[in-house]
Amino acid sequence: KNEVEQSPQNLTAQEGEFITINCSYSVGISALHWLQQHPGGGIVSLFMLSSGKKKHGRLIATINIQEKHSSLHITASHPRDSAVYICAARGWGSQGNLIFGKGTKLSVKP
Amino acid sequence: GAVVSQHPSWVICKSGTSVKIECRSLDFQATTMFWYRQFPKQSLMLMATSNEGSKATYEQGVEKDKFLINHASLTLSTLTVTSAHPEDSSFYICSAPDRNTGELFFGEGSRLTVL
Repeated sequence: KNEVEQSPQNLTAQEGEFITINCSYSVGISALHWLQQHPGGGIVSLFMLSSGKKKHGRLIATINIQEKHSSLHITASHPRDSAVYICAARGWGSQGNLIFGKGTKLSVKP
Repeated sequence: GAVVSQHPSWVICKSGTSVKIECRSLDFQATTMFWYRQFPKQSLMLMATSNEGSKATYEQGVEKDKFLINHASLTLSTLTVTSAHPEDSSFYICSAPDRNTGELFFGEGSRLTVL
């Protein structure tokens, strides 16, 4: 059974700081998703990775398949980045059968 | 880009009543829709997978007679919580994959409170 561990659980940063959220999983996966959940509950898919690195604006996601580890970085953080960030690992079956991490609650102070 | 529209965003109902949650795919055809549930301070859990024109597949421990899923068209999937009880109070969210890339698009979620 795949387990997905995220760290840290909570993170408080000052505006402008560089932020890293880590995700480790225990078995081989076909893809790893990074999701952003806002206080109201809505979820936005940030990245889907199967190898390497992806960048979108101030967000960067990397994955190391051998080490079963992924990171999400936020450069020049802003209060509007405050949200819960969730990593989710997808196995080799259904696209929707994801194992979700417990999330990292990020709070960026102005 | 692709959008999944979900409503209602929140609903309060009395115990024993049924509640229907709709997810519509806008600008793309969703042959598959995933339904998740999230209890407070817990991770999202997949409940069921609906496929257009066929029966839904339910995860272990999810009662198919209680959580009725209908995927009658390529743009609409519905989840009906029948005879709702307070323990069904949760956050329900759907997502649909892009058939080409596998990227998931999530609805806004529905917060159900059963009194």
